[in-house]
Formats: sequence, C-alpha cells, structure tokens
Amino acid sequence: GAVVSQHPSRVICKSGTSVKIECRSLDFQATTMFWYRQFPKKSLMLMATSNEGSKATYEQGVEKDKFLINHASLTLSTLTVTSAHPEDSSFYICSASLSRGRWETQYFGPGTRLLVL
Amino acid sequence: GDSVTQMEGPVTLSEEAFLTINCTYTATGYPSLFWYVQYPGEGLQLLLKATKADDKGSNKGFEATYRKETTSFHLEKGSVQVSDSAVYFCALTTSGTYKYIFGTGTRLKVLA
Repeated sequence: GAVVSQHPSRVICKSGTSVKIECRSLDFQATTMFWYRQFPKKSLMLMATSNEGSKATYEQGVEKDKFLINHASLTLSTLTVTSAHPEDSSFYICSASLSRGRWETQYFGPGTRLLVL
Repeated sequence: GDSVTQMEGPVTLSEEAFLTINCTYTATGYPSLFWYVQYPGEGLQLLLKATKADDKGSNKGFEATYRKETTSFHLEKGSVQVSDSAVYFCALTTSGTYKYIFGTGTRLKVLA
C-alpha cells in the first residue's frame, strides 16, 4: 500500500527557535497533503490542507504565520513551526491523498513528536 | 458542530476475547464513518468504513455497522489477537467535504 514518511520522528528544541517537519509520499504522487495536530488524550485536529503548487488552506484558529506549510512537489510537504513556544509541543501528523477527488483515501504518516523547552 | 465520541481506554483483553469499542457521532447531513488503526510507530491505517445507514464495514475480522437511529458505529471483533494491540480511531466525514473529524482514540492491549 501507499507509504507516507515523516522526518524527524521526534524533535526537542529551545523556545524561540524554528523547527521543520517533512512529510513524504514514498511510492505515489500526492496532489493533496494534510497536516494534523494531536494533543494528549485528544483527537486529531486538522490544521491545514495543501495542494501541490498552491498556498495552503488553514483551518480556523490556526496561525498561518506560525505554522508555515510548503508543498513544493508531489511527494514532499513541509511544516515549519516558527518561533516555537512550549504550547506548540504536540504530536504532528501528516497525510497524503492520491488526488483531489479521492480525499477519502488518505494515507497517514507515523507522526512527529515536538517538545519545546 | 460535527463530533465523534469514543469510549476511553485503555481496553485490556485476553487473547480470543470479544471486543467492542463504542463510537457515537453527531453530524449534519449524511456522514461517512470510518475506523482507523494505529500500530506502534506507524501511521494511521484505514481499517473499515461505511458510507450510508445500515452499511456494515468489515476487514481483518473487525466489523462495524452504521446505525443512523442510534448515531453509532461500534467496532467489534469476535476473537482478538495480541497483534490487534493498537490505538483505534473512529472518524467521520460529511458529504461535500474532505475533512475528517476524529475521536480521541481508544488504546487496545491484548494479553497472551
């Protein structure tokens, strides 16, 4: 089946620094990628949707200047947490869809755990 | 707004026991319902889905029936194995959107 990887799997950073998380579709081209955030004992919350070559669409309440998303190619999307603060500590998960019309078929990455000190 | 409620875990069972993980939802329109499973260190994988009332989704011995009258989509398996130990997420999407609404996940631990 389709495989999505994330890198790094775990990152610890100091408050005020920026962190980049990569999401790659390894064996298929993903026209649409999604970024989720999961708090402890909470459900996954969709942060943004990105289509290759266009700007990301952010969900209400998500700061687009803080969470920069780039979908430069059909196999790579990046999420950059800028000027990270302890409250940004969370589990970030990406998913990739084969085509805009097949959004139900999303393949999920294993997630990246971010800890901001 | 739309929401999904799952039973809190962890659920601990002995091998070959019967499994039920409850899931109820609230949604406008006609949602599609899903169960995803996340094994340790891996991404979420689609386990089964149902797109309309009374549909039954099934896969790997797991089943769930879309019950519109009780707004439920409970996950069941007749005989669990140690390899079923994972976190299970119930989710929905509503027609015309691509957004998943996930439950909080239920951790299942199966003991040999």
